[in-house]
Amino acid sequence: GESVGLHLPTLSVQEGDNSIINCAYSNSASDYFIWYKQESGKGPQFIIDIRSNMDKRQGQRVTVLLNKTVKHLSLQIAATQPGDSAVYFCAENPYSYNTDKLIFGTGTRLQVFP
Amino acid sequence: NAGVTQTPKFRVLKTGQSMTLLCAQDMNHEYMYWYRQDPGMGLRLIHYSVGEGTTAKGEVPDGYNVSRLKKQNFLLGLESAAPSQTSVYFCASTLLGAGGPEETQYFGPGTRLLVL
Repeated sequence: GESVGLHLPTLSVQEGDNSIINCAYSNSASDYFIWYKQESGKGPQFIIDIRSNMDKRQGQRVTVLLNKTVKHLSLQIAATQPGDSAVYFCAENPYSYNTDKLIFGTGTRLQVFP
Repeated sequence: NAGVTQTPKFRVLKTGQSMTLLCAQDMNHEYMYWYRQDPGMGLRLIHYSVGEGTTAKGEVPDGYNVSRLKKQNFLLGLESAAPSQTSVYFCASTLLGAGGPEETQYFGPGTRLLVL
């Protein structure tokens, strides 16, 4: 069935470097995407979202890129800090199913080393 | 403004026991959701509600029941707990459902349930 997945289960980066977390989605009709951050023992926290009529959106130290041609979503974190260590996962809204539910990916663990 | 809260934070049950998980939100959100999160898997939707008095099944509804008697509360019940229901349960709410202008889901801190 349709699903949202991630290429890398674990990403290790040095403090200060930039991080790139990837997500592949399979439903070409999806037109809304969200990135969440989940710290150990906590609930997911909204980071940034993007609609399909955009290919880039920037927040504070984070940028989301959307490539609809290859159905790929990425989250870029600039100057990664120890506090960025967490699991990151993307979610999509598959409008083609006429649903009011999101589909979540499995997540990528980001580890930041000093 | 507490956002989304969940009680209890942790619970141990024996097989066959019942319990109710409570989710409360103070943001006047219409939509509320219950998910379970298991290692190596994404969040899976159990049940959801699009408004007070209404509920609907999600991806994995078997073994669970829900009620939305008040707009701010969404209850998840396990009538006869099974070890397969050992998981972390998250509640979420959103002002409007997917397709509306406010789609971001706000999550609670989670309830860790262990069924022996």
